[in-house]
Amino acid sequence: KQEVTQIPAALSVPEGENLVLNCSFTDSAIYNLQWFRQDPGKGLTSLLLIQSSQREQTSGRLNASLDKSSGRSTLYIAASQPGDSATYLCALDSWGKLQFGAGTQVVVTP
Amino acid sequence: SQTIHQWPATLVQPVGSPLSLECTVEGTSNPNLYWYRQAAGRGLQLLFYSIGIDQISSEVPQNLSASRPQDRQFILSSKKLLLSDSGFYLCAWGVRGLTSYEQYFGPGTRLTVT
Repeated sequence: KQEVTQIPAALSVPEGENLVLNCSFTDSAIYNLQWFRQDPGKGLTSLLLIQSSQREQTSGRLNASLDKSSGRSTLYIAASQPGDSATYLCALDSWGKLQFGAGTQVVVTP
Repeated sequence: SQTIHQWPATLVQPVGSPLSLECTVEGTSNPNLYWYRQAAGRGLQLLFYSIGIDQISSEVPQNLSASRPQDRQFILSSKKLLLSDSGFYLCAWGVRGLTSYEQYFGPGTRLTVT
């Protein structure tokens, strides 16, 4: 069974610093990996999707990498802003079923 | 463009009462539909998924059931709620393309069972 772990569980950084969020998984037979953002009491917003054959995806200040051999994905957020404060979740897709990590709660202080 | 709706947004129900949460999707046809639950301090757990009308799979044994009476409508139900049913319920839809598959989530329903 796929196990998805996100470390750290919580992170607080001053504005302007780069954020590094980690996601590890135990089974490399995945279809793709998706990173989401969740604001308190809200649904999930898709940030980036990395297909199994890709190594990374970029969107603006966000960059996500995928290393299936080591079972790891990393989400980088450059030059963090207070508006980046949220919980970030990674999810692995095994043929349409997403397996989620518990998330990393991020606080960016002004 | 595609949109996904959930209602109600919040719900407080006593133990033993019935439940009906509704999810509808606009702007797409024949989507895969999903119900997830997010308990306090825990990750999302897949409860049900559906690949078509009346085609529903349950991922975990529980006090809940799901139905899909129309292509873009997904309903989560219970006959008698338990305290442990409290949580944040999220509906999602997804469509598989040639090379990728992505899921999109609704705004969620906060359920408190008292």
